[in-house]
Amino acid sequence: DIVMTQSPSSLAVSAGETVTINCKSSQSLLSSGNQKNYLAWYQQKPGQSPKLLIYLASTRESGVPDRFIGSGSGTDFTLTISSVQAEDLADYYCQQHYSYPTFGAGTKLELK
Amino acid sequence: EVQLVESGGGLVKPGASLKLSCVASGFTFSDYWMSWVRQTPGKTMEWIGDIKYDGSYTNYAPSLKNRFTISRDNAKSTLYLQMSNVRSEDTATYYCTRVSHWFAYWGQGTLVTVSS
Repeated sequence: DIVMTQSPSSLAVSAGETVTINCKSSQSLLSSGNQKNYLAWYQQKPGQSPKLLIYLASTRESGVPDRFIGSGSGTDFTLTISSVQAEDLADYYCQQHYSYPTFGAGTKLELK
Repeated sequence: EVQLVESGGGLVKPGASLKLSCVASGFTFSDYWMSWVRQTPGKTMEWIGDIKYDGSYTNYAPSLKNRFTISRDNAKSTLYLQMSNVRSEDTATYYCTRVSHWFAYWGQGTLVTVSS
C-alpha cells in the first residue's frame, strides 16, 4: 500500500486567511512515463459526498474557485486555500491514484 | 448531469450478506470504469475496488477481495457491490464513484451498519 500522511489533522482559521494542508506519500507518485503526479484533493462538507477539487496534483477541477491551489511533486504535496471563506469550512482529503487508491486521514478546517 | 444513486444499505447482523446497488444516469455508463469507496463513522476513506467498463475485469483492495464482489449490468446502468460475511468494521457509508484515476463523481452514499 502507498500510505498517505496528512497534516495537520485540524486547522482553525479566520475568514480571509491563507491556509496550507500537507500530504506526504510513502513512495513517489510521479510517473516516469508522463512526468505527472497522481495525487488528488477532495473537499467534504458535513452531510455531503466528497467533491473533487484538484487532480494530477495541480489541475483544478472545472468550477473550482482559483483560490484552491495544488502543488508538489514526488512524495510531498500541498493544498493551499487563499483568502479562506466561510463556505470553505470542511474536511479535506488527499488521495493517490498512482497505484490502487489510498486516502489521507483528512484535515478538518474550522472557524477560529 | 451525472447522477449516481446508491441503495441497499441498512442494519445487518455480523456474518450476513448484503448487496448494494448504484444506478447511474447522465452519461454513457458502459464507457466508464466504476468504483466503490467507503467512509467509516470515524471518517476514514477506503477504496474497495473497481470494475472495467465492460465488466470483464475487477480490482480490489487486498484486505477486502475475499469478501466483496463488484459487478455491473450495463443494460440497466447499474453497479453492484456484494458484501459477504460482514463484520462490525464494515460499518460505513458506501459510495459509488465514476473512475478516471481520480473520483470526479460520487453518489450520495448508502449507510451500512453491522450490529447484532
